[in-house]
Amino acid sequence: QVQLVQSGAEVKKPGASVKVSCKASGYTFDSYYMHWVRQAPGQGLEWMGIINPSGGSPYYAQRLQGRVTMTRDTSTSTVYMELSSLRSEDTAVYYCARWVTGTTVGFDYWGQGTLVTVSS
Amino acid sequence: EIVLTQSPGTLSLSPGERATLSCRASQSVSSSYLAWYQQKPGQAPRLLIYDASGRATGIPDRFSGSGSGTDFTLTISRLEPEDFAVYYCHQYGSSPQTFGQGTKVEIK
Repeated sequence: QVQLVQSGAEVKKPGASVKVSCKASGYTFDSYYMHWVRQAPGQGLEWMGIINPSGGSPYYAQRLQGRVTMTRDTSTSTVYMELSSLRSEDTAVYYCARWVTGTTVGFDYWGQGTLVTVSS
Repeated sequence: EIVLTQSPGTLSLSPGERATLSCRASQSVSSSYLAWYQQKPGQAPRLLIYDASGRATGIPDRFSGSGSGTDFTLTISRLEPEDFAVYYCHQYGSSPQTFGQGTKVEIK
């Protein structure tokens, strides 16, 4: 079965960086785009960007440009999201989500979420 | 970017009642590329509706979506106890993709 398993919770100081991983299994890794979505405590969802696991340049939300980097490792079927120059406003649960097209369109599988806390 | 405004913020209803949730876009959503997600506390969102009115795999037929252009609606025909949750609309027709702020459906 399809699974997206994310790395564990992180606590970081302002100005630091964090790298969250998302390991995919149960399907052909490079056949589906992967997105990252975050959710601040008690708030709504914010789209962060997209990466094509088969290659090509990722595409990031403009408000995160320069601070976010998405990469992938096809040998381990893992995508990564790194966010730098962390601020308190970056405290959130970060999700990876698989994008499906065809008979259904949308984020059909999600990781379990990774809580990143930014605090001095 | 397209701003999605959901209303109402909270909907207080009883099981068996009909729920009507609204999502209004600041500009037309290309090709009705609008989805609805359900989220329960501590869980990741779950895809319900895509392309404004398509029901995702495994979603009960009490969930239906409609609309086009700038006005979209999610209807739950008869609320079941497991339907009390937060619902988000999401547009993927224009970049950046954006989400609404959510509507909470709570038990009255």
